Amino acid sequence: DAGVIQSPRHEVTEMGQEVTLRCKPISGHNSLFWYRQTMMRGLELLIYFNNNVPIDDSGMPEDRFSAKMPNASFSTLKIQPSEPRDSAVYFCASSLSLAGIEQFFGPGTRLTVL
Amino acid sequence: EDQVTQSPEALRLQEGESSSLNCSYTVSGLRGLFWYRQDPGKGPEFLFTLYSAGEEKEKERLKATLTKKESFLHITAPKPEDSATYLCAVQAYSNSGYELNFGKGTSLLVTP
Repeated sequence: DAGVIQSPRHEVTEMGQEVTLRCKPISGHNSLFWYRQTMMRGLELLIYFNNNVPIDDSGMPEDRFSAKMPNASFSTLKIQPSEPRDSAVYFCASSLSLAGIEQFFGPGTRLTVL
Repeated sequence: EDQVTQSPEALRLQEGESSSLNCSYTVSGLRGLFWYRQDPGKGPEFLFTLYSAGEEKEKERLKATLTKKESFLHITAPKPEDSATYLCAVQAYSNSGYELNFGKGTSLLVTP
C-alpha cells in the first residue's frame, strides 16, 4: 500500500518567491496534518484537517502560510512570500481519525529559501 | 502547558548492549503516547501507541512501557540497524486539541 506521498522532495527558492508543497494522504484516512521540523524547534504542528475541513491552524506561524484540502486525496501548504527563516523540512501526516490514533508521516519536503 | 522531555539527547551503544530511552511527560490528561523512529532524510516511522499506565508493547528488539509520568523504550541486544533518532509524542485531553506534542528525540548510535 502506498504511504503518504509528498512533492517535491526538495525545493530551493529565493526569498520572496511563492512555494507550494503538496501532499497525498493514505487512502481512507480522514485526518491530515502538516508539520515543520527544524534542529532548533524539533517537530511542530502547523495545521490539521478532518474530513477536508481545517480544524486548528494556530500553529501556522504567519499570514504568509496557508493550507488547503480541496478533497480527501490532496492537500497543499503554500508560503507566500517565502523567507530564509522558513527553511526547514515540512512533513505531511495522515491518520484514520483525530483522537488517539497514530499518524503516518510522508517523506517530507526539504525547503531551502536563499 | 503540555510538555514532553526525552533523555538522553544522544546515546552510543555497542552492538548487543541493552539500554533504555526515557520520555517524561506532563499533560492534563493523556489521550495517547506514541513512539516513532526517524532515519536521516526520512519521515518519522510509527512504532507504538500506549494509552494507559502499565501498558507494554513489543516489536522485535524494542519494548515500550508507560507509567503516569513517563515512558521507556527498552532496546534489547541492539544491532547497528537500530541506529536512528527515536521520537516520543503525546496527545492530551487539553486545549491543544488533537495535536501530537513531540519531544526533541534521542539520537541512538549502535556500533558493531
